[in-house]
Amino acid sequence: EAGVTQFPSHSVIEKGQTVTLRCDPISGHDNLYWYRRVMGKEIKFLLHFVKESKQDESGMPNNRFLAERTGGTYSTLKVQPAELEDSGVYFCASSPRTGKGINEQFFGPGTRLTVL
Amino acid sequence: RKEVEQDPGPFNVPEGATVAFNCTYSNSASQSFFWYRQDCRKEPKLLMSVYSSGNEDGRFTAQLNRASQYISLLIRDSKLSDSATYLCVVNLRYGGSQGNLIFGKGTKLSVKP
Repeated sequence: EAGVTQFPSHSVIEKGQTVTLRCDPISGHDNLYWYRRVMGKEIKFLLHFVKESKQDESGMPNNRFLAERTGGTYSTLKVQPAELEDSGVYFCASSPRTGKGINEQFFGPGTRLTVL
Repeated sequence: RKEVEQDPGPFNVPEGATVAFNCTYSNSASQSFFWYRQDCRKEPKLLMSVYSSGNEDGRFTAQLNRASQYISLLIRDSKLSDSATYLCVVNLRYGGSQGNLIFGKGTKLSVKP
């Protein structure tokens, strides 16, 4: 079974430019999460989709970040305009929708974003 | 105060050693607890869930003390392949699949021959 995939693996852009990150969750997983790790800090939650709906976007840092999951399959995270402090590794995770039991969130390999 | 605190290490141990990591969490409403493992420049992967009664998976033993808001991981007979960063993770909801995970910064382990 294919795991969570993310594209691109690396992105280097200049301050003020726009970048779009993509995440393809494991097939059939309703839950999709975005997380970010800024250098020297812990991994932090950004937002959570259940299918195409935003369940929780409390971790989104500001309105320069826009996440979408049209059709409830893959998701994109757009940063516009990018700032220096947006540099970090952006992880996507997915999990099946279940009402009980402890289930794992499966993480993608991440996109390493560098803003110069 | 950070939501999940861990000693960053590094812990440098010889092969075969026993090593223990500790973690504290600040929110008493936390419902589920995990240890994730992250290799250098890779994604986090679930190592094991942590239950109140304590649980063991091979060489790995996890303990949870809800009263003290404290989680531990014990690794026995360390292998070179155990070298990684160990992330303490909590969730305010029951179950790892629902709700956002709250991560510690991680504890780095290096096992030497």
